[in-house]
Amino acid sequence: DGGITQSPKYLFRKEGQNVTLSCEQNLNHDAMYWYRQDPGQGLRLIYYSQIVNDFQKGDIAEGYSVSREKKESFPLTVTSAQKNPTAFYLCASSMSSELAVGYTFGSGTRLTVV
Amino acid sequence: SQKIEQNSEALNIQEGKTATLTCNYTNYSPAYLQWYRQDPGRGPVFLLLIRENEKEKRKERLKVTFDTTLKQSLFHITASQPADSATYLCALVRRDNNDMRFGAGTRLTVKP
Repeated sequence: DGGITQSPKYLFRKEGQNVTLSCEQNLNHDAMYWYRQDPGQGLRLIYYSQIVNDFQKGDIAEGYSVSREKKESFPLTVTSAQKNPTAFYLCASSMSSELAVGYTFGSGTRLTVV
Repeated sequence: SQKIEQNSEALNIQEGKTATLTCNYTNYSPAYLQWYRQDPGRGPVFLLLIRENEKEKRKERLKVTFDTTLKQSLFHITASQPADSATYLCALVRRDNNDMRFGAGTRLTVKP
């Protein structure tokens, strides 16, 4: 079955550590996105990529980095510069950036700072 | 500033009734508006999309309306069931840059 796989489901980070969240899709979608979700707030866009080897910052990119070396993969690194990283992270993809179709989301990674 | 507001954080209704959720926006010119369902601990699932030139869209027990004059979308679930209990998110896609923004969501609980 086609879909988006995010791993791990739960992740714990110590202060000062960098951690990487995995996102893989087999939908042959061009565009991929990373969102952060906090209680009582809408999803906020961190980074997005419309084609391989290219990506753009979203609204809250500070403290995060991404890469898009393959069409299927769009990993997100939460660096030590991100001061409040505890949140639910969602990866999504779409056929194109035209957005006339809905996004397909992964099941999310819950990151907790310990 | 641009805002997307969903009418309430939580909505409780009785099974069999129609649930109506509201999405209001300001300082936007959306090309599309989308509705998603999100279950606890899961990613959102796309339900419906409505374009700026469409007034209404239906899919099974779901109906979405879009009023660009009022800057509002209504999302209806008819003959609601306990299985419809979830958080529902609206998302707007801007006409000028295809940027998509989400509302905070409304948590719907359908009681048997």
